[in-house]
Formats: sequence, C-alpha cells, structure tokens
Amino acid sequence: AQKVTQAQTEISVVEKEDVTLDCVYETRDTTYYLFWYKQPPSGELVFLIRRNSFDEQNEISGRYSWNFQKSTSSFNFTITASQVVDSAVYFCALSEPYNQGGKLIFGQGTELSVKP
Amino acid sequence: GAVVSQHPSRVICKSGTSVKIECRSLDFQATTMFWYRQFPKKSLMLMATSNEGSKATYEQGVEKDKFLINHASLTLSTLTVTSAHPEDSSFYICSARDGGDRGSPLHFGNGTRLTVT
Repeated sequence: AQKVTQAQTEISVVEKEDVTLDCVYETRDTTYYLFWYKQPPSGELVFLIRRNSFDEQNEISGRYSWNFQKSTSSFNFTITASQVVDSAVYFCALSEPYNQGGKLIFGQGTELSVKP
Repeated sequence: GAVVSQHPSRVICKSGTSVKIECRSLDFQATTMFWYRQFPKKSLMLMATSNEGSKATYEQGVEKDKFLINHASLTLSTLTVTSAHPEDSSFYICSARDGGDRGSPLHFGNGTRLTVT
C-alpha cells in the first residue's frame, strides 16, 4: 500500500536559516509521482512541485530545492535563507496508481515556523 | 494557471440542518474531483472521489448517506453534509486535476470551514 511519512511534525527556525523538510514514501508502483504542497495559515493548498519516478534530477526554484532519491525512497525539500512568509504547513504527497483513481496520498505534514 | 473555486469559505449551521459546499473548476474541465477533510493540526483525509456523470467513490469509513456528492457537470461538484452534527465541524477542501493523467498536480479550492453548533 502507498504511504507517505513526514517524520517532522513541527520545525522552528530563525529567519535566514536553511531548513530541510523530510519525506519518505512507500509504493510498489514503478511509475509514480511525488508532490509538495504548501498550506499557509489561510488554509489554501498551494502546489509547489511535481516529480515523476523516472526523473531523479534535483530541482531548484529560487530559494526552494528538492532532492529526490529513489534508493532511499525520499523526496526532501530544502528552503534556503528562510523567511517569515515561509511559515506554513508543508505536505508531501504520492499519487496512487491510475487504475485506483490517481488520488493523492498525503503525509502528515510538517509545520514550519520561521521567526524573525 | 488552473483555478478551483470553492464556496462558501465559512459556514455556521445548527445541528440537524444540511449544508451544501460547491466546488468549481474555473478554467478547465474536471472529470474527477476529490473531496478532502482536514482536522486541526492534521493531514488531509480523502473522503471521496467525485466522477462526472456517475456515482462518487467513497473511502472506507465515510458515510455516503451523510456526505452526499454530486458531480453534475465537468466543472461543478457539490458536497452536501446532511443532518450535520458538531462532530462534522471541520475544514473541507475540494480538488481537481487539470489533465488526464495522475502526474498532473491537483489544484485545490480554498476550503470551507464548517462549524456546527
């Protein structure tokens, strides 16, 4: 069965620190997709990134970077030089097989608090 | 980008009444929409998958008679919480996928905070 684990429930950092959010997943699929979403205090979910299982290239987008390692079934997310506006709950998610509807399985979320 | 509109954003209702939540895909067609429920400080729990023109698929443990889902068109799905009780108070979020494959990201509505008094 598919499963996503975000072991860090809460992280608190001071502004300008780098922070890494961990995500470990389980799946028997050979083809799958991984996602990260951000949920600020207002509640909406904001899509950050998608990665398919055949693409292990790391990605960088501004202060955000993602490290996908199939060997360890991990898809970690790093924020460089964190800012107060980065404070939010971050969810890692895995897509279920398409013949099961393709729905997303979410991790428990990591609440990031960036203090000035 | 793809936009999903969810209405209302907040609703307070009395115990025993029914509440309808609408979810619309504004600039794309969504044959499938998903309804999630989120408790405070918790992850998103999938309630059901809404399929246009057919019955919704409910997750285990979700009462289909209590949470009625209708997906009458390619851009609209509704969730009706029937005979609401205080334990139904929660944050409900709908989502839709813009694209035919599961690699397309889900786009989420802004959520509906339901409070049952």
